[in-house]
Amino acid sequence: DSGVTQTPKHLITATGQRVTLRCSPRSGDLSVYWYQQSLDQGLQFLIQYYNGEERAKGNILERFSAQQFPDLHSELNLSSLELGDSALYFCASSVGVGETQYFGPGTRLLVL
Amino acid sequence: GENVEQHPSTLSVQEGDSAVIKCTYSDSASNYFPWYKQELGKRPQLIIDIRSNVGEKKDQRIAVTLNKTAKHFSLHITETQPEDSAVYFCAARGGSGGSNYKLTFGKGTLLTVNP
Repeated sequence: DSGVTQTPKHLITATGQRVTLRCSPRSGDLSVYWYQQSLDQGLQFLIQYYNGEERAKGNILERFSAQQFPDLHSELNLSSLELGDSALYFCASSVGVGETQYFGPGTRLLVL
Repeated sequence: GENVEQHPSTLSVQEGDSAVIKCTYSDSASNYFPWYKQELGKRPQLIIDIRSNVGEKKDQRIAVTLNKTAKHFSLHITETQPEDSAVYFCAARGGSGGSNYKLTFGKGTLLTVNP
């Protein structure tokens, strides 16, 4: 157990819908990262926050957004969902910027 | 941005043999190279990492080597066991500017250790 928690574990929804994934970092970690893992795409970096501020952006679609709250938990919002958005979404955290990242258990999203 | 290539995509070895997975990176400023192991349906877990000021690092049966000149790094697993079977990901972290804040992952290597 890395100490990073994610909810929900599984999510089934329909195309066009909107969902919110939640992540709580390890105690003391200020950075949160979001990744998408599809079968054919490996681990794709989406976005990073440090102490509430966005610090880096990867291949995140405009339909996706995220934020980090004052208590350091983070939420990833996925809207206008498409079949291709079905994937495992991982959150990771680290003490500071660029430090070793520890992954949460992931949220498995299935869009039908 | 950084680009990380990982080979092979699949690797099958007999128990007790060694396994080697290789990665190359494009950003010469990259300075941190972790390796993660992901078992089926589970989270990626850090197994070993190396920084650019070190050429080799060992932890029991696992070792990582880094060649900064050639921009490649490798994972070596000796005396493989069936429980080593998993997907292994290499990653590289950029060394300057905005790219410093993210890891770029290779596409993974599925290692199968046959009893």
